[in-house]
Parts: sequence; structure tokens; C-alpha cells
Amino acid sequence: DTAVSQTPKYLVTQMGNDKSIKCEQNLGHDTMYWYKQDSKKFLKIMFSYNNKELIINETVPNRFSPKSPDKAHLNLHINSLELGDSAVYFCASSQSSPILAFFGQGTRLTVV
Amino acid sequence: AQSVTQPDIHITVSEGASLELRCNYSYGATPYLFWYVQSPGQGLQLLLKYFSGDTLVQGIKGFEAEFKRSQSSFNLRKPSVHWSDAAEYFCAVGIGNSGGGADGLTFGKGTHLIIQP
Repeated sequence: DTAVSQTPKYLVTQMGNDKSIKCEQNLGHDTMYWYKQDSKKFLKIMFSYNNKELIINETVPNRFSPKSPDKAHLNLHINSLELGDSAVYFCASSQSSPILAFFGQGTRLTVV
Repeated sequence: AQSVTQPDIHITVSEGASLELRCNYSYGATPYLFWYVQSPGQGLQLLLKYFSGDTLVQGIKGFEAEFKRSQSSFNLRKPSVHWSDAAEYFCAVGIGNSGGGADGLTFGKGTHLIIQP
């Protein structure tokens, strides 16, 4: 069974479109995250959600919005996509104490 | 804020040789420490972690890491590498609960490991 799954694995879209990436975890964790990996492979946290509350909101554009319908899901919505949004986006989950994050396989987003 | 430094961007090792990947962190207390591996086109897999206790931790795939508080280091080692170890390796730091929530991980910029036949 996949612990943290994200869909789609690849996403190619045009500038200006709105897209969503879905993430689900079946580990019973209480915290979920979105990370962005840029073209230089640098990983940086974007958001985390704990019990449906946003804990971290790094300085990402407000075109990005996480949405958590329940404890097992944290979807990432991106509006008005730009070329610079092209990256690999990773979902992760953990129990808040101690931190032990499990990552999904990543979604490679390409904006053309 | 915490930070993680992986000073080696690329490392080339011959198959069967030993490996050490360096990681230094900056944080006021003892953080939670992790090593992740990312194979080409794949997600992140946890190799090992340090929370407390024995400073030498064993992980999967024959990897180990040693926490040295005095050097703020958490270097990853393997006595004999295999061609399948070629991947990107990330050191990460987590600082645990904060106000009832979790702060996520801060990653180093990664070390690309190349295995020579």
C-alpha cells in the first residue's frame, strides 16, 4: 500500500491555466506538507497543515493555495500558472512529534 | 532559523569503495536529523534519522550516519558502495513541535553521487 500518494505524476500545462495536484496519505498522520523542488534540486517547504489549520505559509505567491478536505488529504491549487512555477512538487506527511516525514513520489509540473 | 549545509555538490566514488557524505547544520539546540535519497525521477526515501540516544545510527541499504554535536555534523557513510547507490542525497533538519504544530524539514542542497565502475 502506498503511504503518501500524489496525482498526477506529470502535469504539462499552458501559462495562465489553473491546476490542482492531489495528495493523500494513509498513515494516520496529523500533519501534511507541500514542498517545491526547483531545477537545481533545492527542496523548500511551501505549506504544512495540522488538523486543518495552516501552520507554515512560506513566502510563496498567493496563487498557490493548499486545501485540506480532511486529515488524510492536502491538495495544492495553483492559479494563473507561470513559467517559473515549473518544478517538482512533493507532498509529505508526518506525526508532529517526533517529526518523521514520508514523501510522495512527486509531481513534475511543466508550464509552457 | 535552522540551516543545513552539504558542502559537496558532486561526489564520484568507485564501486566497492567507501563513501562519506558531509552534512553540517546550524541550530541552537539538538535538532532532529535525517538523510533522504532521491533516485533519478523518483521521490524521496528516508535512509535514516537521529532523534536522540546513540549518536551512530543505522539505516537502510547499509548506510549509517554519526551525529557529532561538537561539529554540528551528521555525516552519512557506507563502507562499500554499489552502482545502484547513484542518486541525489539530501540531509535535512527538523525542529519538532512548535506551538502544537510541526514545522517541517529544512533541507540541504543535496549531494549528487556518481558511481564509477
